[in-house]
Amino acid sequence: SQTIHQWPATLVQPVGSPLSLECTVEGTSNPNLYWYRQAAGRGLQLLFYSVGIGQISSEVPQNLSASRPQDRQFILSSKKLLLSDSGFYLCAWSPEPVEGNGYTFGSGTRLTVV
Amino acid sequence: LAKTTQPISMDSYEGQEVNITCSHNNIATNDYITWYQQFPSQGPRFIIQGYKTKVTNEVASLFIPADRKSSTLSLPRVSLSDTAVYYCLPLPLRWAGSYQLTFGKGTKLSVIP
Repeated sequence: SQTIHQWPATLVQPVGSPLSLECTVEGTSNPNLYWYRQAAGRGLQLLFYSVGIGQISSEVPQNLSASRPQDRQFILSSKKLLLSDSGFYLCAWSPEPVEGNGYTFGSGTRLTVV
Repeated sequence: LAKTTQPISMDSYEGQEVNITCSHNNIATNDYITWYQQFPSQGPRFIIQGYKTKVTNEVASLFIPADRKSSTLSLPRVSLSDTAVYYCLPLPLRWAGSYQLTFGKGTKLSVIP
């Protein structure tokens, strides 16, 4: 069966520090991969998605970037964190094509920038 | 993605039936009504999907009138563990991964002992 792993679960980082969040999927090949962010009291915002290795699409201009170095690995990075980067970050995967029940989310990373 | 309107929050006592209504006046002919559930500090998970009339599974029921301009998610006899945010999403039956799927604020359901 397919599983998705996301780490770390919580992270407290000072302003201006770098960030690296990692997500891996097991049990499937060539998944679609997504990074979402949920700020306090707000809905889920799609940040990046990838339909293949090295293919990254960005939905929101920001100081974050994403990379997909391997088929089942998706990394969210920042060179210098801002206070506004605080939030709950979720990685998700889906098969291709996607169906209504096809999104599977990781357990999330709670990032607090101080 | 068709615009949806659903209550920001709802409170219910344990054991009661909860109905969450979502309006989607401009839903496309090909769209299905899909509901996701998000527990605190977790990612959303799919709970139910339907096109017309009524769909029922082990978690919930979904009622969709003939004009499909709204839908109602029904949770029977809620318990504290049903406290979550519920998202209504009109979606095609299947789509390409490049389709930008976003979730709104959803409805925050709080179940009270």
